[in-house]
Amino acid sequence: NAGVTQTPKFQVLKTGQSMTLQCAQDMNHNSMYWYRQDPGMGLRLIYYSASEGTTDKGEVPNGYNVSRLNKREFSLRLESAAPSQTSVYFCASTTGTRQTQYFGPGTRLLVL
Amino acid sequence: LAKTTQPISMDSYEGQEVNITCSHNNIATNDYITWYQQFPSQGPRFIIQGYKTKVTNEVASLFIPADRKSSTLSLPRVSLSDTAVYYCLVGDSGAGSYQLTFGKGTKLSVIP
Repeated sequence: NAGVTQTPKFQVLKTGQSMTLQCAQDMNHNSMYWYRQDPGMGLRLIYYSASEGTTDKGEVPNGYNVSRLNKREFSLRLESAAPSQTSVYFCASTTGTRQTQYFGPGTRLLVL
Repeated sequence: LAKTTQPISMDSYEGQEVNITCSHNNIATNDYITWYQQFPSQGPRFIIQGYKTKVTNEVASLFIPADRKSSTLSLPRVSLSDTAVYYCLVGDSGAGSYQLTFGKGTKLSVIP
């Protein structure tokens, strides 16, 4: 039982490049989330998926798209990366009803 | 989502009890109070959750007064490994999802 896994662990992009961050959970959770964390700050919600087939915007969705591929997987795509998107990205999952969220190890993204 | 206020940082010696207080004056009736712990380069990890009075688990205790406008996380006999950022969150589940709002947290430094 790996919990929440994220790939890649680290990525460097040039401005304007695109990439997809992958997230998978093996806990049969309904809800999945993408957060970003800037240095010295708390986490901010980008997008979430309450259940398979649904996605909703969080606090900072601009510049990102998501896909809930199936119950296990939730991907985050940057279509045209900008330096302001340099951050650590965390994926999380939960059963969905006032339950604790389980976080992945994070993806560190540097946009030059 | 209710806003929370907690100290930016705290220092403690090993073996002492640490109490971190969080203010949430506009907590709603259905909101629960949840604390997460985050080590450097890792995702947040659930510590404890409560609604009122006192909750205790193997890691910590959570004290919530009757008016629920604040809460106190108590860590007994801290060790160096408890050095981390601690986040207080309040929120409710709705429509099958549970959005969390992370503030900047409290950076706890345990001193030998």
